[in-house]
Amino acid sequence: QVQLVESGGGVVQPGRSLRLSCEASGFIFNKFGMHWVRQAPGKGLEWVAVVWYDGSNKYYGDSVQGRFTISRDNSKNMVYLQMNSLRAEDTAVYYCGRDPGWSPSFIDSWGQGTLVTVSS
Amino acid sequence: IQLTQSPSSLSASVGDRVTITCRASQGIRSYIAWYQQKPGKAPKLLIYAASILQSGVPSSFNGSGSGTDFTLTISSLQPEDFATYFCQQTYSYPQTFGQGTKVEIK
Repeated sequence: QVQLVESGGGVVQPGRSLRLSCEASGFIFNKFGMHWVRQAPGKGLEWVAVVWYDGSNKYYGDSVQGRFTISRDNSKNMVYLQMNSLRAEDTAVYYCGRDPGWSPSFIDSWGQGTLVTVSS
Repeated sequence: IQLTQSPSSLSASVGDRVTITCRASQGIRSYIAWYQQKPGKAPKLLIYAASILQSGVPSSFNGSGSGTDFTLTISSLQPEDFATYFCQQTYSYPQTFGQGTKVEIK
């Protein structure tokens, strides 16, 4: 069955960096786009980034553009989110999600999330 | 593209018909997905392309609309349906979510 497992969350000081990982299993990874979506405590969902199935295209949310970088390694069934210049408002649970690549796009499977806390 | 969901919350009883709306700030054709989220859990896909029911989702869930106005309807609310519901536009990047609608027990 489809499984997405995020890791790499934790407590980090403002201005520092953190890299999240998402390990995929149970499906042909290199045929699916992958998203990161976050949720601040008690708040709604915020779309963060997407990388296409082959890594050829990447798009970002306005609040993370220029600070976060999404990438993938299809040989390892992994997707990453490199987060630089972290701010308190980046505190959230970060979910990775699978996108079948159809049009319209959607996220049909989600990981359990990893918590990132940005605090001094 | 901004998405505005209404209401932000509602109270309903088991068996009630519930309607949640999602309005886009510009036309997005049928590029809408709906998700259900329960406390402490990841979101779950209910509907994509505005009206296509995801496999395994009960037929009591129905999506409709195109352009700027979309609706998620639960025809007969069940105890397991009490949750928060989000719409998402995938028409253009950056993709965006509505602010959510919390469905509570009356």
